[in-house]
Amino acid sequence: DAGITQSPRHKVTETGTPVTLRCHQTENHRYMYWYRQDPGHGLRLIHYSYGVKDTDKGEVSDGYSVSRSKTEDFLLTLESATSSQTSVYFCAISPGQNSDEQFFGPGTRLTVL
Amino acid sequence: GQNIDQPTEMTATEGAIVQINCTYQTSGFNGLFWYQQHAGEAPTFLSYNVLDGLEEKGRFSSFLSRSKGYSYLLLKELQMKDSASYLCAVYSGNTGKLIFGQGTTLQVKP
Repeated sequence: DAGITQSPRHKVTETGTPVTLRCHQTENHRYMYWYRQDPGHGLRLIHYSYGVKDTDKGEVSDGYSVSRSKTEDFLLTLESATSSQTSVYFCAISPGQNSDEQFFGPGTRLTVL
Repeated sequence: GQNIDQPTEMTATEGAIVQINCTYQTSGFNGLFWYQQHAGEAPTFLSYNVLDGLEEKGRFSSFLSRSKGYSYLLLKELQMKDSASYLCAVYSGNTGKLIFGQGTTLQVKP
């Protein structure tokens, strides 16, 4: 199994509070991704990173920011959480793009009240 | 636009064969993946197709037709543990991003 962890695994927070989710990998893979998964929508890309300090937006990036100061860590921040951001968040890593499979972390279940 | 379609739910009987279809329309194509996801768990890799044809891996096979924008996942000798969601995903060549379908929830009954 790819060495990828997410923290926290579960979080309940209130509307308007900031939240940071962490993804940590031990595989030294270049690419890291944040997805959210909701019923009826499948997995949707929020942001991704193609190297340290190199990030780009996905299809549902509004309300989220990311940072990658080290190869092994990719942080997802909700600056002011809203109830619409209640979801399961998955981090994924891959050594390259296009032909390389993505390995997924265990997920973080976030509830915004 | 980018669009990937899969049936939402399927039901099959233990020991039988089931085919899960996936059709896609994307800007560019660099390969198609199938992932399996059990409830409450992370997706795990099943197969990858980039050329037309059938790829067989044990009880699971995946087929691709690029000209038709079509793929299917074939599961043989179904077992109860195959009850899961199956996700079709396409690498869009223009974006370098993996685009997922909504997933097909398969229920295997005794």
